[in-house]
Amino acid sequence: AQSVAQPEDQVNVAEGNPLTVKCTYSVSGNPYLFWYVQYPNRGLQFLLKYITGDNLVKGSYGFEAEFNKSQTSFHLKKPSALVSDSALYFCAVRDLDRGSTLGRLYFGRGTQLTVWP
Amino acid sequence: DAGVTQSPTHLIKTRGQQVTLRCSPKSGHDTVSWYQQALGQGPQFIFQYYEEEERQRGNFPDRFSGHQYPNYSSELNVNALLLGDSALYLCASSSLGQPQHFGDGTRLSIL
Repeated sequence: AQSVAQPEDQVNVAEGNPLTVKCTYSVSGNPYLFWYVQYPNRGLQFLLKYITGDNLVKGSYGFEAEFNKSQTSFHLKKPSALVSDSALYFCAVRDLDRGSTLGRLYFGRGTQLTVWP
Repeated sequence: DAGVTQSPTHLIKTRGQQVTLRCSPKSGHDTVSWYQQALGQGPQFIFQYYEEEERQRGNFPDRFSGHQYPNYSSELNVNALLLGDSALYLCASSSLGQPQHFGDGTRLSIL
């Protein structure tokens, strides 16, 4: 069965500092990994995905994620945090073949990121 | 280009009632998935529709049912509502090779 774990419920960082939001995964087969962000009273907004290839994936709003197969991790990073980055972040893994339109997402519990001025 | 739209945005029901939530997928998307997000939790997969058929189902009782129409829009129906059904219900659409895009959800409150 597929699953993801986000070990930190909260991450606090000062504006301008680098940020990391952690995610580890468990999959059968090749992983197909995602990061989403959720602002208050809104749905989930896609940030980036890992399918194959380079271990460093670049996404929206300056975010990137590092895929590490040996550690089964997919940590979200940003070199310089902004106050506007404060939100709830979800890591997810998809089952089924990436060549198919089908497949459910398995989400972590989420990590609340707070960036203070 | 409109994204995923859901209606209504908020809904209040009482125990035992039935509810229908609606979703219009992003233009060009043909697959619709529904998720339930309880307060303080990550979204949980309910089911997925493609070509008007339910293709996958999560661990939800038969009280939860759905439908997909030829124009790819979808409905989620919940019968015999329980207090525990109070949650944000999210619709996501996708197509081959594309990530799932989510709507802003319907906030369902059961009294």
